[in-house]
Amino acid sequence: DQQVKQNSPSLSVQEGRISILNCDYTNSMFDYFLWYKKYPAEGPTFLISISSIKDKNEDGRFTVFLNKSAKHLSLHIVPSQPGDSAVYFCAASTGSGYSTLTFGKGTMLLVSP
Amino acid sequence: DAGVTQSPTHLIKTRGQHVTLRCSPISGHKSVSWYQQVLGQGPQFIFQYYEKEERGRGNFPDRFSARQFPNYSSELNVNALLLGDSALYLCASSSPRMNTEAFFGQGTRLTVV
Repeated sequence: DQQVKQNSPSLSVQEGRISILNCDYTNSMFDYFLWYKKYPAEGPTFLISISSIKDKNEDGRFTVFLNKSAKHLSLHIVPSQPGDSAVYFCAASTGSGYSTLTFGKGTMLLVSP
Repeated sequence: DAGVTQSPTHLIKTRGQHVTLRCSPISGHKSVSWYQQVLGQGPQFIFQYYEKEERGRGNFPDRFSARQFPNYSSELNVNALLLGDSALYLCASSSPRMNTEAFFGQGTRLTVV
């Protein structure tokens, strides 16, 4: 039973446009959400996170939106750049100090010039 | 500052053999977690250790074991290797505070033949 779902395996956008990556979760105990970016042959790199007490968190070109009632979050990248091409993983935890991360399957983003 | 370091980066083993993977966390981080990522999936939690104590265990068979040393480095051991154990093994370190991100190493690519 997948508790974190990324239903789009891939997404293609043009340079300069907005990329929107979506993530749904089923476990109501999740209260901290993270996005990671992964290039081939590298480990995941932390991008941005959001606590369940917020509905938006912004860091430069990256914004994460959280809709708790819908159990849905999204990552917006504006403007998209070719260097953003990577696999993006959504992850969730219960937020405690010892909590582990539950990941989605990832969405491969391709930004074309 | 050194990030999370893992060794070796690549490994080829034969079915039935044993393997030991190593991880050094970011300086000051006392928590280490291990994840397995198979192709097309997100990382899946295996173990978490804090202050040399196991704090969590994922749904993996007893062939998988781990430990953490006084300097907070960690080893993941897998006995009686199966072809299905072929994966990228990721180590992550974090500070055991509420709502904090985990930082990943580059991973060890294990191939079982």
